[in-house]
Amino acid sequence: NAGVTQTPKFQVLKTGQSMTLQCAQDMNHEYMSWYRQDPGMGLRLIHYSVGAGITDQGEVPNGYNVSRSTTEDFPLRLLSAAPSQTSVYFCASSYSGGPGGELFFGEGSRLTVL
Amino acid sequence: KQEVTQIPAALSVPEGENLVLNCSFTDSAIYNLQWFRQDPGKGLTSLLLIQSSQREQTSGRLNASLDKSSGRSTLYIAASQPGDSATYLCAVKFNAGKSTFGDGTTLTVKP
Repeated sequence: NAGVTQTPKFQVLKTGQSMTLQCAQDMNHEYMSWYRQDPGMGLRLIHYSVGAGITDQGEVPNGYNVSRSTTEDFPLRLLSAAPSQTSVYFCASSYSGGPGGELFFGEGSRLTVL
Repeated sequence: KQEVTQIPAALSVPEGENLVLNCSFTDSAIYNLQWFRQDPGKGLTSLLLIQSSQREQTSGRLNASLDKSSGRSTLYIAASQPGDSATYLCAVKFNAGKSTFGDGTTLTVKP
């Protein structure tokens, strides 16, 4: 019962570097999403996907790219990291983007951009 | 814009008190509302999920209610304990399918 798995758990980048945060779920969930959480704040939606091949922007998409080639995986790419992207990133999935879908979260990936 | 608000941002109570945390949202067209607990530096633990058609859900000392018409949910914690100290977040899944979070209420239960 792995649930939602995020890697890496910690990462330090220099400004301008690129990287990919990985997210995988083994629950056959259609809906997957990425959030960021800054100190003292709730979670803000970056990108989401309602199924393989379908992605859409959330509240704070700038500086991030996503793709969904399989049901299981939903990687988040930072193309050119900036200090403003220092945050904790959470991946979440649910059975459906519609009614009934309970959100399940990964443990988070803590990113520091110097 | 679909928004979720949690007031107060912080709450401190003595052990044993019953307490209520509030979550309000701007659009009554929702699929569900979910309450989470987050300990410092940790991930999110799901506490209760209330579907749009439901009025309340209970788990142990926790009871969550939902009033769509007024755009409000409450999380009731009975007989609070120091171990209940954490940040409590509510997430509302609006009919567009995206879940929007409030900023949370940080609860401290003093022995």
